[in-house]
Amino acid sequence: QKEVEQDPGPLSVPEGAIVSLNCTYSNSAFQYFMWYRQYSRKGPELLMYTYSSGNKEDGRFTAQVDKSSKYISLFIRDSQPSDSATYLCAMKQTSYDKVIFGPGTSLSVIP
Amino acid sequence: SAVISQKPSRDICQRGTSLTIQCQVDSQVTMMFWYRQQPGQSLTLIATANQGSEATYESGFVIDKFPISRPNLTFSTLTVSNMSPEDSSIYLCSVVSQQTQETQYFGPGTRLLVL
Repeated sequence: QKEVEQDPGPLSVPEGAIVSLNCTYSNSAFQYFMWYRQYSRKGPELLMYTYSSGNKEDGRFTAQVDKSSKYISLFIRDSQPSDSATYLCAMKQTSYDKVIFGPGTSLSVIP
Repeated sequence: SAVISQKPSRDICQRGTSLTIQCQVDSQVTMMFWYRQQPGQSLTLIATANQGSEATYESGFVIDKFPISRPNLTFSTLTVSNMSPEDSSIYLCSVVSQQTQETQYFGPGTRLLVL
């Protein structure tokens, strides 16, 4: 079993839809959870950062962490064509630990 | 957030040659990392660049193939040595925020094609 699993997609949705992106993980020691957005031919850009369980909201983006189920989610409301990118979940055990990335989900938002 | 630049942004190289990639950060950072992202795949950590000491390599990566320098807290280089087509990839520099020590930022990447 891979340490972090993520449906690679591609995921295609109409503009304005709510998008749900998910990752599961096997290491219960993970405490820090991140979501990165990567546009084609660019480096990953940090979108959301969460420590431990709970929800975090930033504009149209909401990150959820359920440590009991080892499951994290990113919700995008009112999706826009500019949200079309690959979304990578990432996690680590301590603030100084190396980050483990999921394989990424490719999202296309169709106008 | 830290602003990271990389040079070159892309290159096409011949088999057997070496390429050195530079990473410059606009502020002092404690931790710098080098990642590889092969086509259609996620990020794989190559090594942690330690200031003033030898880099720490991940399993499957060795210093002879990927020598790393980190002369100060804002700069690092990664060399891809004796290249083969299998080294064609995007190479990314990454740093941990000095302020929070938790958030990790990435440079724009160096796109390498080995013929």
